[in-house]
Amino acid sequence: QVQLVQSGAEVMEPGASVKVSCQASGYTFTKYEITWVRQASGQGLEWMGWMNPNTDNTGYAQKFQGRVTLTRKTSITTAYMELSNLGFDDTAVYYCARGRRTLVRGVLRYHFDYWGHGTLVTVSS
Amino acid sequence: QSVLTQPPSVSAAPGQNVTISCSGSSSNIGDNYVSWYQQLPGTAPKLLIFDNSDRPSGVPDRFSGSKSGTSATLGITGLQTGDEADYYCGSWDSSLSGVWVFGGGTKLTVL
Repeated sequence: QVQLVQSGAEVMEPGASVKVSCQASGYTFTKYEITWVRQASGQGLEWMGWMNPNTDNTGYAQKFQGRVTLTRKTSITTAYMELSNLGFDDTAVYYCARGRRTLVRGVLRYHFDYWGHGTLVTVSS
Repeated sequence: QSVLTQPPSVSAAPGQNVTISCSGSSSNIGDNYVSWYQQLPGTAPKLLIFDNSDRPSGVPDRFSGSKSGTSATLGITGLQTGDEADYYCGSWDSSLSGVWVFGGGTKLTVL
């Protein structure tokens, strides 16, 4: 069965960087995108970006451009999200999710069918 | 302020039916497919509806989705207490270089 297993909770100081991992199993890692979504306590879902494990292509939300880097290591079917220059408002649960993207007659079919359990990142001094 | 607009909350009694709306624009819902996610308290989101109206295997047919123009709707019939959750719509937005957008989420309370 498809599983996305994320790394454990992190406590970081302001200005530091954090790297969260997402290990995929149960499917061919390079055939689906990995997307990252975060959720602050009591708030909604916020999309951060996507990564194609086959091509290493990425796309980022404008809000995180220059501060987030999505990478992968295909040999261990693991995706990574690194967020730099952390501020207190980066305290949130970070989720990875598997993305299915197809273009049908010019219309994009895209959704996230499996999600990781989430990684709590706390920014605290 | 989310790009897709959802009502913050809806409520209904067990057994009743409810709909949750999701309003967007031509660059997102109008041009691309919509998906819906259910987030039960303290858990990760789960895919509920994809490609506007398709259900993944295992999702009961009490849940349905539709799209018209730049709006989408999630319908739930025969409400159960276990349906109490936050529901999010989402779609690709083709403006600029392309990004994914979520609605702000709707808290469903089953009275």
